[in-house]
Amino acid sequence: DAGVIQSPRHEVTEMGQEVTLRCKPISGHDYLFWYRQTMMRGLELLIYFNNNVPIDDSGMPEDRFSAKMPNASFSTLKIQPSEPRDSAVYFCASTPGGRVGAFFGQGTRLTVV
Amino acid sequence: AQSVTQLGSHVSVSEGALVLLRCNYSSSVPPYLFWYVQYPNQGLQLLLKYTTGATLVKGINGFEAEFKKSETSFHLTKPSAHMSDAAEYFCAVSFYNTDKLIFGTGTRLQVFP
Repeated sequence: DAGVIQSPRHEVTEMGQEVTLRCKPISGHDYLFWYRQTMMRGLELLIYFNNNVPIDDSGMPEDRFSAKMPNASFSTLKIQPSEPRDSAVYFCASTPGGRVGAFFGQGTRLTVV
Repeated sequence: AQSVTQLGSHVSVSEGALVLLRCNYSSSVPPYLFWYVQYPNQGLQLLLKYTTGATLVKGINGFEAEFKKSETSFHLTKPSAHMSDAAEYFCAVSFYNTDKLIFGTGTRLQVFP
């Protein structure tokens, strides 16, 4: 398996624009996590899914953020409208279960200007 | 509340010296514990994990960690640091009843020649 695949690797957008980050988890992994990493706040869990169903979205910062998992092989994280304070590295990770540990993608570095 | 705390945001050691990175957790149920490493501009890579059984676990690159329930700790050690060990290290905790993976704030390890 190629691992967790995220796209794009880098995204630069203007404030107010819609941004969509994409993730393809490892095949067979039932859990998918979205994290945000910043210098100030470290690695924050935004939302996670089990079998395509959102289980806990308490980390989503505000209504501008939304995440979907329409099928087992694809998830999106959308920010609309984007703001400069959303600039961060966004990671997607997947796992077959908590005992195994999560496998991370390379991340998407988002810059909102 | 379930959480994980890493003491020391920065640790500096000389090449060949002992590496000790500290991690404590708070949990009302038995935890699964993990250490991850992140190199610059990379995703997180699993170093080692504890789920059940032997409390001393060995991971990649010569690292090991010991689960001490009485101290609620899972410290990461390596007998002899190498320049290539310079990176950021994250402790993480998960639980059998949620599979939610929570990270500490990270410790940046510097290795001096």
